[in-house]
Amino acid sequence: GAGVSQSPRYKVAKRGQDVALRCDPISGHVSLFWYQQALGQGPEFLTYFQNEAQLDKSGLPSDRFFAERPEGSVSTLKIQRTQQEDSAVYLCASTSGGGRTDTQYFGPGTRLTVL
Amino acid sequence: DQQVKQNSPSLSVQEGRISILNCDYTNSMFDYFLWYKKYPAEGPTFLISISSIKDKNEDGRFTVFLNKSAKHLSLHIVPSQPGDSAVYFCAASGVGNQGGKLIFGQGTELSVKP
Repeated sequence: GAGVSQSPRYKVAKRGQDVALRCDPISGHVSLFWYQQALGQGPEFLTYFQNEAQLDKSGLPSDRFFAERPEGSVSTLKIQRTQQEDSAVYLCASTSGGGRTDTQYFGPGTRLTVL
Repeated sequence: DQQVKQNSPSLSVQEGRISILNCDYTNSMFDYFLWYKKYPAEGPTFLISISSIKDKNEDGRFTVFLNKSAKHLSLHIVPSQPGDSAVYFCAASGVGNQGGKLIFGQGTELSVKP
């Protein structure tokens, strides 16, 4: 598959559990973005990587959210001590370069439900 | 504050007619605008974009119009087809946004009736 893939597609967590969401960008893509989409809303920016460098994490809602991309390819979004308000679809997108107008290609998302 | 707004949550159109989806923005630093289309259980798919130096961009059945003075853009789909039924998101990117992070509207669900 040539597209962005995300796993798991669905995750149910009990309040207080830690979760890890994985994103495999398109091979060779330099930039990677994470977005959070609440029900009935548009995606909201969380964080941005260029290669392994996290250049913008201004959208992370709290210090319970942490993202990494240690080798500049696969990325993991970790949420510690999950809360009900963390329930959302988490979308990953990648672009081929670091240009501001490069097209972002999105994965199918991970739907997180916190009980 | 919602910097990108799509005030119509839904729109229903007859097949073959024109669909017009609207979007307003508040941040004058936005200079690049996009429309994404989303089917259920899939990620958003890029549809068309426009730079602020233009007022119109066309790609097949899809045309985006930008009115900078009104801070308004619209997406026209002509003719509409049942396969166009999806949620459409307007998004914007501005000067100073590292790497091009996108600010999205809330989406408009388009239903094209056969």
